[in-house]
Amino acid sequence: GQNIDQPTEMTATEGAIVQINCTYQTSGFNGLFWYQQHAGEAPTFLSYNVLDGLEEKGRFSSFLSRSKGYSYLLLKELQMKDSASYLCAVRAASTGFQKLVFGTGTRLLVSP
Amino acid sequence: KAGVTQTPRYLIKTRGQQVTLSCSPISGHRSVSWYQQTPGQGLQFLFEYFSETQRNKGNFPGRFSGRQFSNSRSEMNVSTLELGDSALYLCASSLVAEYNSPLHFGNGTRLTVT
Repeated sequence: GQNIDQPTEMTATEGAIVQINCTYQTSGFNGLFWYQQHAGEAPTFLSYNVLDGLEEKGRFSSFLSRSKGYSYLLLKELQMKDSASYLCAVRAASTGFQKLVFGTGTRLLVSP
Repeated sequence: KAGVTQTPRYLIKTRGQQVTLSCSPISGHRSVSWYQQTPGQGLQFLFEYFSETQRNKGNFPGRFSGRQFSNSRSEMNVSTLELGDSALYLCASSLVAEYNSPLHFGNGTRLTVT
């Protein structure tokens, strides 16, 4: 089966750093995506990892360990606008190109 | 470049009716997929289309169907609506030529079944 786990909710303070974890169990692996979704809006792409290691993109970084089935999204210098849901999604090797398995999302609340 | 466009944004239907949702992908994107998003289940894959052919289908009943046209636009249809079909339906498109190409989502159609 396919299973993606991430915390339901997290809180953090403006200017701080937060790490959102994601563990996965899938039949094969062809990449892991992180998306951000504000309430009532479309999910927007943040990062993609297919090899082990850290990918950095501005204030956002994503890490992958394929052997552990583990990823995290690191958000630095948090801003109020970072309050959103963060979705972890895996493309399993046996599935189609656009078929991603999503976690239920982590709702992040950034307070002043 | 315009994003993925979905119409309508909101729909209210009653049980037993059918509904058709429309999606226009980003210009040049030939691969389109549909997802259902509910608070309890998150995003669940419905179908994937490329060049008017369904390449993959999720675990949904046969009441859910879709198609893709020659201009890459796509529609999905849900027949004999049930209360549990109330959800946000998201369409996504991507460039097939790049394997790490992310899915670009539209704002979705919010379907409420009463």
